[in-house]
Amino acid sequence: AQSVTQLGSHVSVSEGALVLLRCNYSSSVPPYLFWYVQYPNQGLQLLLKYTTGATLVKGINGFEAEFKKSETSFHLTKPSAHMSDAAEYFCAALGVNTGFQKLVFGTGTRLLVSP
Amino acid sequence: EPEVTQTPSHQVTQMGQEVILRCVPISNHLYFYWYRQILGQKVEFLVSFYNNEISEKSEIFDDQFSVERPDGSNFTLKIRSTKLEDSAMYFCASRPSGLMNTEAFFGQGTRLTVV
Repeated sequence: AQSVTQLGSHVSVSEGALVLLRCNYSSSVPPYLFWYVQYPNQGLQLLLKYTTGATLVKGINGFEAEFKKSETSFHLTKPSAHMSDAAEYFCAALGVNTGFQKLVFGTGTRLLVSP
Repeated sequence: EPEVTQTPSHQVTQMGQEVILRCVPISNHLYFYWYRQILGQKVEFLVSFYNNEISEKSEIFDDQFSVERPDGSNFTLKIRSTKLEDSAMYFCASRPSGLMNTEAFFGQGTRLTVV
């Protein structure tokens, strides 16, 4: 069964510092991969996704992620954190070998940004 | 911009009561989903719906749960006899057809509190 692991339930950074949120997937066939962000009391918003092609994908709000098949990883990065980036971030996978392709989510990482 | 709409945003119900959570997916989407997120935990898949029938469901989606698309626009989740452990945020999502249309669009969620 496919699974997604996010290391670190909480990540704290200072404003202006590099943001790195880790995600690893477990699947015999590389899935499609997504990062969603959830701001307080709001729904899930897509940040970026990887399906095929270029392994470095850019998303909204300056975030990017790199698919590394050899490491089964899809870590999310942002060069310089902003206070408004404080939110919960979810990595998710979509199995390309399943008929109706339900999203499997990781446990989430709460990003805390201090001044 | 089209969006998935969920009502109500917050529902409080007594244990044992029936609740219906409502969703209006994006109009030209064909796949519909319900996910839930218990407070502080990960987002979990409940059920997917396509072509007027359930296409996949998780072990969470037992006989107490049902889904329906009563007309061309609404997609509902019914919990027949709520339990305390059903308290969670419930997210509806929809997706267009086509293998490359991989992004699921999420609603803002309904927070269900069972007392």
